[in-house]
Amino acid sequence: AQSVTQPDIHITVSEGASLELRCNYSYGATPYLFWYVQSPGQGLQLLLKYFSGDTLVQGIKGFEAEFKRSQSSFNLRKPSVHWSDAAEYFCAVAPNTDKLIFGTGTRLQVFP
Amino acid sequence: DAMVIQNPRYQVTQFGKPVTLSCSQTLNHNVMYWYQQKSSQAPKLLFHYYDKDFNNEADTPDNFQSRRPNTSFCFLDIRSPGLGDAAMYLCATSRGAGSGGYTFGSGTRLTVV
Repeated sequence: AQSVTQPDIHITVSEGASLELRCNYSYGATPYLFWYVQSPGQGLQLLLKYFSGDTLVQGIKGFEAEFKRSQSSFNLRKPSVHWSDAAEYFCAVAPNTDKLIFGTGTRLQVFP
Repeated sequence: DAMVIQNPRYQVTQFGKPVTLSCSQTLNHNVMYWYQQKSSQAPKLLFHYYDKDFNNEADTPDNFQSRRPNTSFCFLDIRSPGLGDAAMYLCATSRGAGSGGYTFGSGTRLTVV
């Protein structure tokens, strides 16, 4: 079945530590891939997206993501987390249709 | 700036009383989407319009309807809101399949009392 999986429901890191949020997809062809961030009660903000080309994508707020075709993954990374990064993070895919499908999300908590 | 605007930002409605949420866009995008996001959950696609063509998700309840009178506007009608329909409703637009770009509005938070 076609799906987007974010295995980690909740992640806690210390401020200044590195971060990796996992995302796997299950589609026949490589879809367009996105990461969004959502603060409580707010809308969705696009962090970065991958369509084609260089598999390492740079985004806003110091985030990057790497597309690995062999693993059907698009993991989000940040070298040093700030307290303001605490939020919900959604991986999303657009298979070759009009739709954008979201993963279940990972809640990031940052301790000082 | 070109954008997607949702009104109102917060909406309170009574149980069973019809309510309409609105979305407008200045991007001239072909596709408009409505997502429902309940607390601590991912956004769930309800339906979308490609121009005037309406595409309903299989598991969207009949209680939810939509109208798109022109390119710029799209409405979400909830005919008889129940307590379980309390959620954030997100509108989004895109140019269509393969375009890869989606623009989201800020959402309308619906409370049912």
